[in-house]
Amino acid sequence: GENVEQHPSTLSVQEGDSAVIKCTYSDSASNYFPWYKQELGKRPQLIIDIRSNVGEKKDQRIAVTLNKTAKHFSLHITETQPEDSAVYFCAASISGSNYKLTFGKGTLLTVNP
Amino acid sequence: DAGVIQSPRHEVTEMGQEVTLRCKPISGHNSLFWYRQTMMRGLELLIYFNNNVPIDDSGMPEDRFSAKMPNASFSTLKIQPSEPRDSAVYFCASSWTSNEQFFGPGTRLTVL
Repeated sequence: GENVEQHPSTLSVQEGDSAVIKCTYSDSASNYFPWYKQELGKRPQLIIDIRSNVGEKKDQRIAVTLNKTAKHFSLHITETQPEDSAVYFCAASISGSNYKLTFGKGTLLTVNP
Repeated sequence: DAGVIQSPRHEVTEMGQEVTLRCKPISGHNSLFWYRQTMMRGLELLIYFNNNVPIDDSGMPEDRFSAKMPNASFSTLKIQPSEPRDSAVYFCASSWTSNEQFFGPGTRLTVL
């Protein structure tokens, strides 16, 4: 089955700096890669996703890049703010009739004011 | 839309007792997922259903865990008998063909 590795497990940055979280996946058939944000005590919520037919996607301060050859994808957050502090999860899936996501272990991002 | 609804939000029980967690997916979604989240193991997929049919239950830890989806608007996850190591937050999520999974608020289970 699919295996998703996520690094780092914790990341601390100063407000205004950029943050990068990296994930690798094992199954070359995977073609959908979402990122979820989970604030303390809350549910995971989708913040951005990318499909294998594109290499990069941006949404304001958030961007995701995908390298299918190397089987890795990354989340980039620019101009970080204290409200970006949360646990971020990457995931991978094979599109089809059953959308099973395999999640990474998560990255605790702390943005210091 | 009310989103995915889970009940109860918190459950405290004693070892050996039966626990039933409930989930109502978003109307129109055809896939439903049960996850368990702990500090040590992260977010684990326990089982998922597609069109009310269980597709993959390989994540169910052992026979003490069972899940049902009798119709498109309701699912249960049952633990019998419960053990302290079952203490975790259990999330239910649902999705349609967009791949995006919408999570419920979770049930925090504490087994004493």
